Amino acid sequence: NAGVTQTPKFQVLKTGQSMTLQCAQDMNHNSMYWYRQDPGMGLRLIYYSASEGTTDKGEVPNGYNVSRLNKREFSLRLESAAPSQTSVYFCASRLQGDQPQHFGDGTRLSIL
Amino acid sequence: AQSVTQLDSHVSVSEGTPVLLRCNYSSSYSPSLFWYVQHPNKGLQLLLKYTSAATLVKGINGFEAEFKKSETSFHLTKPSAHMSDAAEYFCVVSDGTGRRALTFGSGTRLQVQP
Repeated sequence: NAGVTQTPKFQVLKTGQSMTLQCAQDMNHNSMYWYRQDPGMGLRLIYYSASEGTTDKGEVPNGYNVSRLNKREFSLRLESAAPSQTSVYFCASRLQGDQPQHFGDGTRLSIL
Repeated sequence: AQSVTQLDSHVSVSEGTPVLLRCNYSSSYSPSLFWYVQHPNKGLQLLLKYTSAATLVKGINGFEAEFKKSETSFHLTKPSAHMSDAAEYFCVVSDGTGRRALTFGSGTRLQVQP
C-alpha cells in the first residue's frame, strides 16, 4: 500500500544550493505532477508529465526542472535554491481519464 | 480558465452537529470536481469526486457533496461531526484537457469542538 512516496520528508538548504526531490509511485499510473503549497493557499502546479519522457510546465515552473526517469519516478530539481522556494512540495499521480490524483505526504523544504 | 472559491477560511462546529463547507467554481468545461482533506503534516486524501454522473455524491467518512450547476456550487456536508474530522479541506476543479490540471481553492480549516 505504498502509493506515492516522496523523499526526503524534510530538508533545509542554503540559498544557492541545489537539491533534487524524489517521487515514486507503484500504482502503474501514467500521469505525474509536482505541486507546491504555500501558507493560506491551495496547491499550485509546477510541472506535469503525461508519460515517460514527456514533461510540461504548469502554473509556477520558474526555478525548477523535472525529469520523468521512467513510469514510476518523477523528480523535481532546484538548481539554485532561493528563499522564495521555501514551501511544501507534493507529488501526485493519476491513472487516466477522470480518475483522481493521488498525493504523497509532501517534502517540507526551507531555504535560508 | 477555471477557478474555485471556498467561501469560509475557518469553520468551527461542535462534535455531533452538522458540517457545511461551501465551494463555488467556475469552469469553461463541464467540470470534474473533488473534495480533498489534509490532516496536519500529511498529504491530501480524496474524500469524493463528481464527474457528471449523479449530482449527489457520497464520499468516505460520511461526507457528501451536491453538484448544483445553476448555482455553480459544490458544497460539502456531513450530518454529524467527529473530532477526527478536524483538518483542512480543499475544493478542487479539474480542467477538461488531457493533463487534467487541478485548480485548488484556498482551503477551509474545520475545527471540531468537544
